[in-house]
Amino acid sequence: ELKVEQNPLFLSMQEGKNYTIYCNYSTTSDRLYWYRQDPGKSLESLFVLLSNGAVKQEGRLMASLDTKARLSTLHITAAVHDLSATYFCAVDVRGGADGLTFGKGTHLIIQP
Amino acid sequence: DGGITQSPKYLFRKEGQNVTLSCEQNLNHDAMYWYRQDPGQGLRLIYYSQIVNDFQKGDIAEGYSVSREKKESFPLTVTSAQKNPTAFYLCASMGDGGELFFGEGSRLTVL
Repeated sequence: ELKVEQNPLFLSMQEGKNYTIYCNYSTTSDRLYWYRQDPGKSLESLFVLLSNGAVKQEGRLMASLDTKARLSTLHITAAVHDLSATYFCAVDVRGGADGLTFGKGTHLIIQP
Repeated sequence: DGGITQSPKYLFRKEGQNVTLSCEQNLNHDAMYWYRQDPGQGLRLIYYSQIVNDFQKGDIAEGYSVSREKKESFPLTVTSAQKNPTAFYLCASMGDGGELFFGEGSRLTVL
């Protein structure tokens, strides 16, 4: 059975600090996606990682993918309050267009 | 603008009633999906369709039905057989890179 596990599931941190969210998955995949969800809203695509060693950066967020370790990280640099949200990783393990499998999400609160 | 439109945003249903959630996309994507989200949980796949007139069950299809008569439309019916239908329902379509694009969601509450 496929498992996509995020760690931590809940994180409270102060503005200005750095932190990393981890996403482990249990089967081979070369495609991993990160999404952001604000309370009561839909999911917004953040990063698409399509190969081993892929690294993408947008503002204070940076995502990377290690397919050999089956691990992706989402690193937050000098956090600001506006980054408070729930972050999901999702893995394409079915192949083709059979849909993505999501982790349970990391609920991130950034306090002033 | 291109995107995915879901309606209604909020829906209340009495026990024993069927309800249909609408999902329309103008992104010209072939594949479309329905996910369910419960509080504090990730997304679980209900049904998906890779092409018109064809669809497959996802991980939690029991109590749901879909149709795909047009490329642009993928409605989801929550039937009375679904024992715990209160949830946030998200429709998505898949772009060329395998990325999912989501609608704004429909929040269903059973009274």
